[in-house]
Amino acid sequence: GAVVSQHPSWVICKSGTSVKIECRSLDFQATTMFWYRQFPKQSLMLMATSNEGSKATYEQGVEKDKFLINHASLTLSTLTVTSAHPEDSSFYICSALRGNNNSPLHFGNGTRLTVT
Amino acid sequence: DAKTTQPNSMESNEEEPVHLPCNHSTISGTDYIHWYRQLPSQGPEYVIHGLTSNVNNRMASLAIAEDRKSSTLILHRATLRDAAVYYCILRAGGSQGNLIFGKGTKLSVKP
Repeated sequence: GAVVSQHPSWVICKSGTSVKIECRSLDFQATTMFWYRQFPKQSLMLMATSNEGSKATYEQGVEKDKFLINHASLTLSTLTVTSAHPEDSSFYICSALRGNNNSPLHFGNGTRLTVT
Repeated sequence: DAKTTQPNSMESNEEEPVHLPCNHSTISGTDYIHWYRQLPSQGPEYVIHGLTSNVNNRMASLAIAEDRKSSTLILHRATLRDAAVYYCILRAGGSQGNLIFGKGTKLSVKP
């Protein structure tokens, strides 16, 4: 089946630094990828939609200058958390759409970010 | 997106069938019913999806009510590895493809 690889699986960084998370579709091309965030004991919250070759579309309340998304190729999208603060500590999960918009989403295994 | 309602939690015994219900009374004609599950500390995993007819795959079966206002995910023989949070999600046909997650049902499986 389709595989989405997310890296790193966990990261600890100091407050004020930036962290980049990569999301790769390993065996298919993904025109569209999605980034989610999940706080402990809560459900996934959609942060943004990443389209290859164009600017990402952010959900209401998500700061685009803080969460930079780049989708430079059909197999790679990156999320950079800039000037991270402890409240940004969360589980970040990417997903990729294979096929048309009615197709299932394929998810990465998530990145646990801890900001100290 | 139309909303879904699921029980917060359910328990099952190992090797017994599990029926996970989902209500979606405001579903529209073009909404697909998707089910995903999430194991602890992992990303969600696709389980099954359907539009009107019942669906079967190697993981589960999806039974959709005739009026489409509810559906049931059926795990035919629960294993300990099936313990997860199960999400029932509606996705509009022709949408940009994103999924809006609710709270889901936390399934516990007892040995």
